[in-house]
Amino acid sequence: EVQLVESGGGLVQPGGSLRLSCAASGFTFSTYSMNWVRQAPGKGLEWVSHIGISGSPIYYADAVKGRFTISGDNSKNSLYLQMNSLRAEDTAVYYCTAYSTSSLIEFWGQGTLVTVSS
Amino acid sequence: QSVVTQPPSASGTPGQRVTISCSGSSSNIGSNTVNWYQQLPGTAPKLLIYNNNQRPSGVPDRFSGSKSGTSASLAISGLQSEDEADYYCAAWDDSLHGPVFGGGTKLTVL
Repeated sequence: EVQLVESGGGLVQPGGSLRLSCAASGFTFSTYSMNWVRQAPGKGLEWVSHIGISGSPIYYADAVKGRFTISGDNSKNSLYLQMNSLRAEDTAVYYCTAYSTSSLIEFWGQGTLVTVSS
Repeated sequence: QSVVTQPPSASGTPGQRVTISCSGSSSNIGSNTVNWYQQLPGTAPKLLIYNNNQRPSGVPDRFSGSKSGTSASLAISGLQSEDEADYYCAAWDDSLHGPVFGGGTKLTVL
C-alpha cells in the first residue's frame, strides 16, 4: 500500500523556521518526482515546490522562492521542505505528492498543518 | 486568481449527471495531461482522474474525464449524496515549471 506521511508542522512565529518531512512507503521512491502543495484555510490548492527524479530539476513557486528549500533522501525514502522567514500567509496544510512519470499516476499524503502567528 | 479556471459552484439532484469544466492555456492543459481531485470536507485531496481520463483503482466508473485543446471536463453520472465535495483540476505548466490548480468547484447535491 502506498503511503505518504507528512510531519513537522506546528505553530511558529513570523520570521521563524520549520522543516517538514514526508516519509514514503509502498513504492519505489527514487523513481518518482515529488511536490509540496499547500492549502490555506478555506482556500484552494497551491503548488509550492517540485523536485525531479534523482533530485533534479528543482522548482519553486514565486511566493516561496528564496525562503523555502526542497530536498530528498532516497536512502530514507523521504522528502523534506525547509521553510525559513515564514510569514502569516504561509499558514496552510502542506501536502507532499509523488508523481510517476511512467504511469502518470500521483499519490498524496494526509498533510501537516503549519500555522504562522505571533 | 488561478491561471486555470473552474466554475466556483455546481449542483445536481441524486441520479443526475453533472459536468465541471476546467479552462487553461497552451502552456498547461494545452500541452500536458490533466488530473482531477475530489476533496471531502476536512480531508486531503483524493486523485479521481489522471492522464485526462484514467481512473485510479477504486474510483467508480461514474466519474469520467475528458480533454480537448486547452479545456478539460469532469463528468459525474448517477449523482450521489456522497459526491458532495470540492473538485479541483490540475495540469503541469511549462512556463511556471510546476502544476497549476483550478480554483476548485464546490459540488452540492440537492
